[in-house]
Amino acid sequence: ETGVTQSPTHLIKTRGQQVTLRCSSQSGHNTVSWYQQALGQGPQFIFQYYREEENGRGNFPPRFSGLQFPNYSSELNVNALELDDSALYLCASSLNRPQANEQFFGPGTRLTVL
Amino acid sequence: AQRVTQPEKLLSVFKGAPVELKCNYSYSGSPELFWYVQYSRQRLQLLLRHISRESIKGFTADLNKGETSFHLKKPFAQEEDSAMYYCALSAGNQFYFGTGTSLTVIP
Repeated sequence: ETGVTQSPTHLIKTRGQQVTLRCSSQSGHNTVSWYQQALGQGPQFIFQYYREEENGRGNFPPRFSGLQFPNYSSELNVNALELDDSALYLCASSLNRPQANEQFFGPGTRLTVL
Repeated sequence: AQRVTQPEKLLSVFKGAPVELKCNYSYSGSPELFWYVQYSRQRLQLLLRHISRESIKGFTADLNKGETSFHLKKPFAQEEDSAMYYCALSAGNQFYFGTGTSLTVIP
Protein backbone atom coordinates (compact mmCIF):
# COMPACT_ATOMS: atom_id res chain seq x y z
CA GLU A 1 0.00 0.00 0.00
CA THR A 2 1.46 3.35 -1.10
CA GLY A 3 1.13 6.30 1.24
CA VAL A 4 0.24 9.88 0.38
CA THR A 5 3.00 11.69 -1.48
CA GLN A 6 3.38 15.39 -2.22
CA SER A 7 5.61 17.35 -4.55
CA PRO A 8 7.64 19.41 -4.45
CA THR A 9 9.04 19.27 -0.92
CA HIS A 10 10.02 22.92 -0.88
CA LEU A 11 9.20 25.84 -3.15
CA ILE A 12 10.17 29.49 -3.24
CA LYS A 13 8.07 31.99 -5.18
CA THR A 14 7.75 35.74 -5.35
CA ARG A 15 4.67 37.80 -4.64
CA GLY A 16 2.19 37.84 -7.51
CA GLN A 17 3.33 34.55 -9.01
CA GLN A 18 1.24 31.41 -9.37
CA VAL A 19 2.04 27.98 -7.89
CA THR A 20 0.83 24.42 -8.35
CA LEU A 21 1.28 21.82 -5.65
CA ARG A 22 0.68 18.13 -6.26
CA CYS A 23 -0.60 15.25 -4.21
CA SER A 24 -0.89 11.56 -4.88
CA SER A 25 -3.52 9.90 -2.71
CA GLN A 26 -3.18 6.64 -0.91
CA SER A 27 -4.19 3.71 -3.06
CA GLY A 28 -7.97 3.21 -3.13
CA HIS A 29 -8.84 6.59 -1.62
CA ASN A 30 -11.38 8.73 -3.46
CA THR A 31 -11.36 11.86 -1.30
CA VAL A 32 -8.61 14.42 -0.88
CA SER A 33 -8.45 17.43 1.39
CA TRP A 34 -5.96 20.29 1.35
CA TYR A 35 -4.79 22.23 4.37
CA GLN A 36 -2.62 25.28 5.00
CA GLN A 37 -0.51 25.22 8.14
CA ALA A 38 1.21 28.43 9.13
CA LEU A 39 4.05 28.31 11.62
CA GLY A 40 2.82 27.57 15.13
CA GLN A 41 -0.75 27.01 13.99
CA GLY A 42 -2.94 24.02 13.35
CA PRO A 43 -3.86 22.98 9.82
CA GLN A 44 -6.55 25.14 8.23
CA PHE A 45 -8.98 23.45 5.89
CA ILE A 46 -8.81 24.83 2.34
CA PHE A 47 -11.11 22.46 0.47
CA GLN A 48 -12.02 18.87 -0.16
CA TYR A 49 -12.54 16.93 -3.39
CA TYR A 50 -14.64 13.82 -3.71
CA ARG A 51 -14.75 11.96 -7.02
CA GLU A 52 -13.28 14.93 -8.88
CA GLU A 53 -15.72 17.54 -7.54
CA GLU A 54 -15.22 20.13 -4.81
CA ASN A 55 -17.19 18.91 -1.83
CA GLY A 56 -16.49 21.45 0.87
CA ARG A 57 -14.47 24.64 1.20
CA GLY A 58 -12.96 26.58 4.04
CA ASN A 59 -12.54 30.32 4.38
CA PHE A 60 -10.08 30.81 1.52
CA PRO A 61 -10.41 33.18 -1.43
CA PRO A 62 -11.10 31.97 -4.97
CA ARG A 63 -7.43 32.36 -5.94
CA PHE A 64 -7.02 29.04 -4.12
CA SER A 65 -8.34 26.38 -6.49
CA GLY A 66 -7.94 22.68 -6.97
CA LEU A 67 -8.38 19.71 -9.20
CA GLN A 68 -8.79 16.02 -8.59
CA PHE A 69 -8.02 13.61 -11.40
CA PRO A 70 -9.60 10.24 -12.28
CA ASN A 71 -6.66 8.45 -10.70
CA TYR A 72 -7.42 10.48 -7.53
CA SER A 73 -4.23 12.47 -7.64
CA SER A 74 -4.84 16.17 -7.10
CA GLU A 75 -3.46 19.68 -7.43
CA LEU A 76 -3.70 22.83 -5.39
CA ASN A 77 -3.28 26.02 -7.40
CA VAL A 78 -2.70 29.40 -5.84
CA ASN A 79 -2.77 32.53 -8.00
CA ALA A 80 -1.47 36.00 -7.22
CA LEU A 81 0.66 34.80 -4.33
CA GLU A 82 0.83 36.95 -1.22
CA LEU A 83 3.45 36.95 1.52
CA ASP A 84 0.91 35.44 3.94
CA ASP A 85 0.59 32.40 1.71
CA SER A 86 3.94 31.23 3.05
CA ALA A 87 3.11 28.04 4.92
CA LEU A 88 3.23 24.26 4.91
CA TYR A 89 0.57 22.83 2.59
CA LEU A 90 -0.74 19.41 3.52
CA CYS A 91 -2.91 17.08 1.58
CA ALA A 92 -4.79 14.20 3.14
CA SER A 93 -6.65 11.36 1.50
CA SER A 94 -9.43 9.19 2.81
CA LEU A 95 -11.94 6.66 1.68
CA ASN A 96 -15.21 8.53 1.32
CA ARG A 97 -16.09 11.04 3.99
CA PRO A 98 -13.07 12.21 5.95
CA GLN A 99 -15.52 13.54 8.46
CA ALA A 100 -16.08 9.99 9.62
CA ASN A 101 -13.09 8.19 8.22
CA GLU A 102 -9.40 8.44 8.93
CA GLN A 103 -7.45 10.96 6.90
CA PHE A 104 -3.95 9.95 5.82
CA PHE A 105 -1.64 12.92 5.55
CA GLY A 106 1.23 13.57 3.23
CA PRO A 107 4.54 15.07 4.34
CA GLY A 108 3.61 18.53 3.08
CA THR A 109 5.04 21.12 0.71
CA ARG A 110 6.80 24.10 2.30
CA LEU A 111 5.98 27.22 0.29
CA THR A 112 7.90 30.43 0.85
CA VAL A 113 6.68 33.62 -0.81
CA LEU A 114 9.21 36.45 -1.02
CA ALA B 1 -15.10 32.11 15.02
CA GLN B 2 -12.68 29.65 16.54
CA ARG B 3 -14.31 26.27 16.34
CA VAL B 4 -11.71 24.29 18.26
CA THR B 5 -9.76 25.62 21.21
CA GLN B 6 -6.73 23.98 22.76
CA PRO B 7 -5.80 26.30 25.62
CA GLU B 8 -2.34 24.85 26.30
CA LYS B 9 0.37 25.31 23.68
CA LEU B 10 2.90 23.45 25.83
CA LEU B 11 2.41 20.75 28.45
CA SER B 12 5.07 18.90 30.41
CA VAL B 13 4.47 15.91 32.66
CA PHE B 14 6.71 13.36 34.33
CA LYS B 15 6.81 9.78 33.11
CA GLY B 16 4.15 7.75 34.89
CA ALA B 17 2.03 10.78 35.74
CA PRO B 18 -1.49 11.25 34.39
CA VAL B 19 -1.89 13.55 31.42
CA GLU B 20 -4.87 15.49 30.13
CA LEU B 21 -4.85 17.57 26.97
CA LYS B 22 -7.79 19.93 26.83
CA CYS B 23 -10.01 20.57 23.84
CA ASN B 24 -13.16 22.65 23.65
CA TYR B 25 -15.27 23.09 20.57
CA SER B 26 -18.00 25.34 19.27
CA TYR B 27 -20.63 23.76 17.05
CA SER B 28 -24.40 23.73 17.26
CA GLY B 29 -24.91 20.49 15.33
CA SER B 30 -23.82 16.97 16.13
CA PRO B 31 -20.04 17.12 16.25
CA GLU B 32 -17.63 14.53 15.05
CA LEU B 33 -14.38 14.92 16.95
CA PHE B 34 -10.91 13.55 16.51
CA TRP B 35 -7.47 13.67 18.01
CA TYR B 36 -4.55 13.69 15.61
CA VAL B 37 -0.92 13.32 16.67
CA GLN B 38 2.38 14.24 15.08
CA TYR B 39 5.51 12.56 16.45
CA SER B 40 8.90 14.09 15.76
CA ARG B 41 9.78 13.91 12.06
CA GLN B 42 6.61 11.98 11.25
CA ARG B 43 3.38 12.85 9.52
CA LEU B 44 0.18 13.89 11.13
CA GLN B 45 -1.83 10.77 11.94
CA LEU B 46 -5.13 9.88 13.52
CA LEU B 47 -4.96 8.92 17.19
CA LEU B 48 -8.62 8.40 17.93
CA ARG B 49 -12.14 9.56 17.08
CA HIS B 50 -15.08 9.88 19.37
CA ILE B 51 -17.45 7.72 17.32
CA SER B 52 -15.18 4.72 17.82
CA ARG B 53 -15.09 5.08 21.59
CA GLU B 54 -11.77 3.26 21.57
CA SER B 55 -8.57 3.47 23.53
CA ILE B 56 -5.43 3.89 21.47
CA LYS B 57 -1.96 3.67 23.03
CA GLY B 58 -3.67 4.03 26.40
CA PHE B 59 -5.35 7.31 25.44
CA THR B 60 -9.07 7.90 25.75
CA ALA B 61 -11.27 10.90 25.02
CA ASP B 62 -14.87 11.40 26.03
CA LEU B 63 -17.20 13.77 24.28
CA ASN B 64 -18.98 15.99 26.80
CA LYS B 65 -21.71 17.83 24.92
CA GLY B 66 -22.75 19.83 27.98
CA GLU B 67 -19.27 21.27 28.41
CA THR B 68 -18.52 21.09 24.65
CA SER B 69 -15.26 19.37 25.44
CA PHE B 70 -13.28 16.43 24.11
CA HIS B 71 -10.30 16.18 26.43
CA LEU B 72 -7.62 13.56 25.77
CA LYS B 73 -6.47 11.56 28.78
CA LYS B 74 -3.93 8.93 29.68
CA PRO B 75 -3.44 7.61 33.22
CA PHE B 76 0.31 6.98 32.97
CA ALA B 77 2.35 9.01 30.50
CA GLN B 78 5.24 7.38 28.65
CA GLU B 79 8.27 9.05 27.06
CA GLU B 80 7.09 7.93 23.62
CA ASP B 81 3.94 10.01 24.10
CA SER B 82 5.97 13.19 23.58
CA ALA B 83 4.48 14.73 20.43
CA MET B 84 2.23 17.46 19.05
CA TYR B 85 -1.46 16.75 19.58
CA TYR B 86 -4.27 18.36 17.58
CA CYS B 87 -7.95 18.23 18.35
CA ALA B 88 -10.15 18.37 15.25
CA LEU B 89 -13.83 18.88 14.55
CA SER B 90 -15.83 17.84 11.53
CA ALA B 91 -18.79 20.14 10.85
CA GLY B 92 -20.69 19.30 7.70
CA ASN B 93 -18.17 19.37 4.86
CA GLN B 94 -15.72 21.47 6.83
CA PHE B 95 -12.89 20.37 9.02
CA TYR B 96 -11.37 22.41 11.84
CA PHE B 97 -8.14 21.80 13.72
CA GLY B 98 -7.07 23.40 16.97
CA THR B 99 -3.71 25.10 17.31
CA GLY B 100 -2.20 22.06 18.95
CA THR B 101 -0.58 21.15 22.27
CA SER B 102 3.03 20.10 22.43
CA LEU B 103 3.35 17.38 25.05
CA THR B 104 6.71 16.60 26.62
CA VAL B 105 7.04 13.62 28.93
CA ILE B 106 10.01 14.06 31.25
CA PRO B 107 11.89 10.86 32.10
